[in-house]
Amino acid sequence: DAGVIQSPRHEVTEMGQEVTLRCKPISGHNSLFWYRQTMMRGLELLIYFNNNVPIDDSGMPEDRFSAKMPNASFSTLKIQPSEPRDSAVYFCASSLYRGAGIGRTGELFFGEGSRLTVL
Amino acid sequence: AQSVTQLDSHVSVSEGTPVLLRCNYSSSYSPSLFWYVQHPNKGLQLLLKYTSAATLVKGINGFEAEFKKSETSFHLTKPSAHMSDAAEYFCVVRLNTGGFKTIFGAGTRLFVKA
Repeated sequence: DAGVIQSPRHEVTEMGQEVTLRCKPISGHNSLFWYRQTMMRGLELLIYFNNNVPIDDSGMPEDRFSAKMPNASFSTLKIQPSEPRDSAVYFCASSLYRGAGIGRTGELFFGEGSRLTVL
Repeated sequence: AQSVTQLDSHVSVSEGTPVLLRCNYSSSYSPSLFWYVQHPNKGLQLLLKYTSAATLVKGINGFEAEFKKSETSFHLTKPSAHMSDAAEYFCVVRLNTGGFKTIFGAGTRLFVKA
């Protein structure tokens, strides 16, 4: 089975440029998460979606960041304009959420990540 | 409030000796608990999960973890470390009350010496 697919795997760009990261979740999963990982701050949840609807974007650093999920099989995370402090590895994860109740919360499946370097 | 505390930022063991990575959680509701492993330049991979069945959970690569409600702990163990176990390990809490809140610990870096 195909796992979570992220692209690009590596991106090097200059400050001020627009960056778009892409994610294809596992087929049949209904929850999608964007995380950012840095040495200083560890793993941070940026935003998550359920059934393509953003549920909590309180982790999005600022207005330069935006995320969309136009359908169940695709999501994007956009940074415009990018800054050097945005350099990090961005992970997408998907999950099957079957409602409240013990044992019904599925685990997260992570992609390989997109390593972003902003010069 | 919900939280996850990994008690050691770094653990170093010799190959062939036992591994213990400690995790304590705080949750108002019965959570699901997970351990993930991350090898360098890779994504996070699920090692094992607890979802209220048996309190001793077996995972991949010989790892296991025991859920102890009275101690609010979910420590990860392995009887004999292998060089390939060197990685970062994350303890994760996910609530079962509805919603999608998933809380990651800060991670424990495991070093394995030959």
